[in-house]
Amino acid sequence: AQSVTQLGSHVSVSEGALVLLRCNYSSSVPPYLFWYVQYPNQGLQLLLKYTTGATLVKGINGFEAEFKKSETSFHLTKPSAHMSDAAEYFCAVSEKAGTALIFGKGTTLSVSS
Amino acid sequence: DAGVTQSPTHLIKTRGQQVTLRCSPKSGHDTVSWYQQALGQGPQFIFQYYEEEERQRGNFPDRFSGHQFPNYSSELNVNALLLGDSALYLCASSSDRTSYNSPLHFGNGTRLTVT
Repeated sequence: AQSVTQLGSHVSVSEGALVLLRCNYSSSVPPYLFWYVQYPNQGLQLLLKYTTGATLVKGINGFEAEFKKSETSFHLTKPSAHMSDAAEYFCAVSEKAGTALIFGKGTTLSVSS
Repeated sequence: DAGVTQSPTHLIKTRGQQVTLRCSPKSGHDTVSWYQQALGQGPQFIFQYYEEEERQRGNFPDRFSGHQFPNYSSELNVNALLLGDSALYLCASSSDRTSYNSPLHFGNGTRLTVT
């Protein structure tokens, strides 16, 4: 069965610092991988996705993630944090397009000035 | 272009009661999925509807049921509510025709509190 592990339930960074949110997955087949962001009292917004092709994926708001099959990882990074990046971030996996997403438990990102 | 809309936004029910949540998908989308997000947790897949049929189901009891209408809107019904059903219920829509490149679009959810 597929599963997603997000290391660190809470990450704190200073404004301008590097953001690194970790995600490891287990899947018996090549997965589809996603990062979503959730702001308070809102639904989830897609940041980026990996399906096939280039393993370095660029998303919205300056975020990117790299699919590393050998490490079964899909970590999310942003070179310089902004106060508006403070939110809950979820990594998710699915076995094929259009099917159910399996989410991790989420990582809360705090950004201080 | 309206995105995914859900109603109501908040709901308070008593144990044992039944509840119906509603979802209108994003324009052009024909597939609706429902997720349950408990406090401090990631969303968990309940089921997915396409062409008015339940196409995929997660690990939820039969108390959870759904429906999709010809206009692609959907309802989630929960019978015999338990305290543990308190959660944010998220509806997400997508296009089956372009599922390869069509990510899920989520609504803002319905916050259900069971007392």
